[in-house]
Amino acid sequence: DIQMTQSPSTLSASLGDRVTITCRASQTLNSFLAWYQQKPGRAPKLLIYQASSLQSGVPSRFSGSGSGTEFTLTISSLQPDDFASYYCQQYDDYPYTFGQGTKLEIK
Amino acid sequence: QVQLQESGPGLVKPSETLSLICSVSGGSMSFYYWSWIRQSPGRGLEWIGDVYHSGSTNYNPSLKSRVTISVDTSSHQFSLRLNSVTAADTAVYYCAREWQQYYFDYWGQGLLVTVSS
Repeated sequence: DIQMTQSPSTLSASLGDRVTITCRASQTLNSFLAWYQQKPGRAPKLLIYQASSLQSGVPSRFSGSGSGTEFTLTISSLQPDDFASYYCQQYDDYPYTFGQGTKLEIK
Repeated sequence: QVQLQESGPGLVKPSETLSLICSVSGGSMSFYYWSWIRQSPGRGLEWIGDVYHSGSTNYNPSLKSRVTISVDTSSHQFSLRLNSVTAADTAVYYCAREWQQYYFDYWGQGLLVTVSS
């Protein structure tokens, strides 16, 4: 299985901050990486696919980048609605696997 | 707008079979893969397996010996059966649509299933 490792596990930030979350894969991905946002008691919501493509309806302050084994999710200016948990997922190979998550908290 | 809804018992006894159904509305099931994913504090998000509209399946090797996923496109449903459950199978179970066998673009709201006597 491809192991996905996110960092940091927890991130404290303030409104308006620019934040970056990193996801590392145990082997090279063909940019087959997605990012999800999850709020308590809710299902994950797709934000980014193919490493850098923004899902329809997702605010442009979210962006993704990276290639190979290292990928990042950036939020350019934190809004109140952005405090949530974030997960990466690889779909380069079965079984699909997820990172362990990054919880974004208000500082 | 595609919507998915999980249904089934919220409590299953150890060694018994967990059976869930996902009902799909607002779109066709044809030409898509449909997945089951679970989430628990100990295991995080774990992909269980998927089924194509034709009935072909893929399973996570870690669960393959205990899992069956099937589809009934005429009823707009697909289902999960997980046998010989233990407390480690306690989780929120989600159904989701896969976009072209890639990422998950639509999810159900999730169903907490507890394994306990």
